[in-house]
Amino acid sequence: NAGVTQTPKFRVLKTGQSMTLLCAQDMNHEYMYWYRQDPGMGLRLIHYSVGEGTTAKGEVPDGYNVSRLKKQNFLLGLESAAPSQTSVYFCASSFGQGARGYGYTFGSGTRLTVV
Amino acid sequence: AQSVSQHNHHVILSEAASLELGCNYSYGGTVNLFWYVQYPGQHLQLLLKYFSGDPLVKGIKGFEAEFIKSKFSFNLRKPSVQWSDTAEYFCAVNAGNSGGYQKVTFGIGTKLQVIP
Repeated sequence: NAGVTQTPKFRVLKTGQSMTLLCAQDMNHEYMYWYRQDPGMGLRLIHYSVGEGTTAKGEVPDGYNVSRLKKQNFLLGLESAAPSQTSVYFCASSFGQGARGYGYTFGSGTRLTVV
Repeated sequence: AQSVSQHNHHVILSEAASLELGCNYSYGGTVNLFWYVQYPGQHLQLLLKYFSGDPLVKGIKGFEAEFIKSKFSFNLRKPSVQWSDTAEYFCAVNAGNSGGYQKVTFGIGTKLQVIP
């Protein structure tokens, strides 16, 4: 089925370890996003991309890096994990924005625990 | 900067009760408005959206929302809830200008619990 696929679904890291979350979409969407979801805080944008080879910072970018080498993939990296990065991470994609926006398609999420 | 307020953080209803979840936004220009639903353990799914035209928008599973521009509101309604509507509901807004990237802002969510 077409959609957004995130891997892994669960991960436990030790403080200081690094990891990469992978997001893949097969809808030919230009825009891709990484959000984190924390209780009582809703969804907060970490980084986003408006096209292949482009990335930009969102609301809470510190401690994360991203890359969009291929249009269908958007990678989120944690270089040195901290307990404050314990969260559920969602990737999303969209066809366009503004008047051409059709809403987001979300992946199923990655539950990350940093101990 | 745009912002979204969801007034009720936790709502408990009995089956067949009517539902109204409040959403207010702050942004002076043209907006696109969305409601997303997140069922337990699942990802967010688009419930309905408003871009222009009829301010009463109908979505999936019997949900509807009304855009009232003068009140900067986009409340979600359902005449009769079911146990399967138990979920978290997020209101979202982005500026409606065409072209380029327009930030989408999400509310903090409202958890709905429907009691059989």
